[in-house]
This record gives sequence, C-alpha cells and structure tokens, in this order.
Amino acid sequence: AQSVAQPEDQVNVAEGNPLTVKCTYSVSGNPYLFWYVQYPNRGLQFLLKYITGDNLVKGSYGFEAEFNKSQTSFHLKKPSALVSDSALYFCAVRDKGDDKIIFGKGTRLHILP
Amino acid sequence: DVKVTQSSRYLVKRTGEKVFLECVQDMDHENMFWYRQDPGLGLRLIYFSYDVKMKEKGDIPEGYSVSREKKERFSLILESASTNQTSMYLCASSRVYEQYFGPGTRLTVT
Repeated sequence: AQSVAQPEDQVNVAEGNPLTVKCTYSVSGNPYLFWYVQYPNRGLQFLLKYITGDNLVKGSYGFEAEFNKSQTSFHLKKPSALVSDSALYFCAVRDKGDDKIIFGKGTRLHILP
Repeated sequence: DVKVTQSSRYLVKRTGEKVFLECVQDMDHENMFWYRQDPGLGLRLIYFSYDVKMKEKGDIPEGYSVSREKKERFSLILESASTNQTSMYLCASSRVYEQYFGPGTRLTVT
C-alpha cells in the first residue's frame, strides 16, 4: 500500500535562510511525487512534481525538490525563505497505474521576520 | 489555467439535513475527487470518479454519496448530515498527473 510521511508537524525558519520540508514515501512500484501548498482558508495549490528524469525538480515560487530513490525521500527546499512562504505544505505520492494520490498530514512552515 | 470551482465557501446545516456540495471544472478533465480535510489528519479521499456516471469509493465513503452526470460536474451528497461531518471539503480534478483543487467548502453541521 502507498503511504507518505511528513515527520515534522511544524518547521520554523528565519527569513533569508534556506528551508527544507521533509517527506518520505512508500510505494510498491515507481512513484509519482508531488508537493502542494495551502494558504489559510484556501484550496491546495500545486507546486511541483517528479515523474521521471532528473532527480532535482524545480517548481513555482522558487521551490525545488530532490527525489532520492535509495532513501525514498522527496524533500522540498528553497535557498532563501520569504515571510510569504508561511503556509501548510503537503507531500503526496501516487503509484504508477493508480489514479489515487495519497497525501501526507502536512507540515506547517513558519518563516520568521 | 485550470479552474475548479465549488458552490459554497461556507455552509451551515442542521443535523439530519440532506446536503449537496457541487464542484465544477473547466478543463475537460476525466478524473474528479472529493476529499475532506481535518486538522492533524491531512486529506482523506471520500470518493473519486474517472468518467461520467462512474464512481469509486475512497478511504472514508461512509455517510456520503456522489453523482457525476456531466464530465465537468461532480457532486458530493451527505444523505443525513451529522456533526462528525463538520469539516473542510475539497474537490479536485486531474487528467494525467497532478490534481487541481477548488477553494474548498467549510461545512458546519449543528
């Protein structure tokens, strides 16, 4: 069965510092991996995805994520955090051949001015 | 840009009422999904549909039903609302890989 874990409920980072939001996954086959962001009282916005190819994928708002097959991880990163990056971030995984996406429980990111 | 709209942002209903939540997407996507989001539990899949008149149960279908009569519209129905169905409901659509979400409906059942 597919699963995804976000080990940190909350991450605090000072503005201007690099940020990392962690995600690990478990699938039986090859994964499709996604990151979404949710601002207060809004739906989820798609940030980036890994399907195949380069392990480092770039997405919206300067975010990027690195697919690491041996560690079954897909951590979200940004070189320099902005206060406006404060939001709830969800990692998600989908097994190839399955239409369903499994979401993690979310990590709340606080960027401190 | 993909646009997914939901009929209400906020809704308050009484226990036992029949509740309809509507979702419309404008990108001709085959797949549509209904989730509920609760603090600490993330998103949980209620139902999804991969074609008109087709539906599949998700992880928590009890107390819910769905209808997809047209490709662009996917409705979630609470046959008899209960207080434990108070939640944020999110609709999404997809074609190939990523899902696109509507703004959500915050439902309160009193």
